[in-house]
Amino acid sequence: EPEVTQTPSHQVTQMGQEVILRCVPISNHLYFYWYRQILGQKVEFLVSFYNNEISEKSEIFDDQFSVERPDGSNFTLKIRSTKLEDSAMYFCASSDAGETQYFGPGTRLLVL
Amino acid sequence: AQKVTQAQTEISVVEKEDVTLDCVYETRDTTYYLFWYKQPPSGELVFLIRRNSFDEQNEISGRYSWNFQKSTSSFNFTITASQVVDSAVYFCALWYTNAGKSTFGDGTTLTVKP
Repeated sequence: EPEVTQTPSHQVTQMGQEVILRCVPISNHLYFYWYRQILGQKVEFLVSFYNNEISEKSEIFDDQFSVERPDGSNFTLKIRSTKLEDSAMYFCASSDAGETQYFGPGTRLLVL
Repeated sequence: AQKVTQAQTEISVVEKEDVTLDCVYETRDTTYYLFWYKQPPSGELVFLIRRNSFDEQNEISGRYSWNFQKSTSSFNFTITASQVVDSAVYFCALWYTNAGKSTFGDGTTLTVKP
C-alpha cells in the first residue's frame, strides 16, 4: 500500500540553524501539507500546497518557514533559523482530491 | 469558526471494558469530513475512519464503532472489549472543503490497564 515517507525520523539542531525536513508524498497525490505537533499538544496545521504554490497557511507559518517541491517526488519544509519553540513533531500529509489526508510517520525535531 | 472539542483529556479503563471517546465539532460548511486518528507512543498518526457530512450511518469495524449525529454535531468513537494495545492518544479531526485543511481536537489519552 502506498504511503507517505519522511526523513529524517529525528533531527537535533542548534538554535539559529537552518533545517530541511523532507517528505515523499504518495505518488499520484496533488495536495501536500505540513502539520506540527508540540509535545503533548494537538496537531496544528501549518501549510497546504497545490499546483506548485501555497494554497493556505496558518499564523504559525511565518517568514522563517518555507516549502518547496524541488522535483516530482519530494516536498520539503525549511525552517530558516530555528528557535527553541520549533521543537516538535512535524507531519507531512498528502491527498488526492483534497479529502482524506494520508500522514507520514513524522520527523521529531529538537532544537537546543 | 471551525472547531473540534474532545472534552475528555484522559480516560483510564481496565481491559475488556467498553469505552467511548467523545468528539463535538463546529462548522458552518455543509460539506465536511470527520476523522479519527490513533497516535500510539511511537508518535505516528494512524488513520481509523473518515465520515462525510452526508452519511450519518454508523459504522462498525471489528471492536471499533462510530456514532455520527449531525443533530448534535457529534462523532463519537467506541472501543468494545478494550485491550492494552488500544492505549494511545486518539484525535478527532474536521476537514472542511473550503479551507483545505484539517482541524484537530486536543486529543484523548486512553490508558487500558491489564
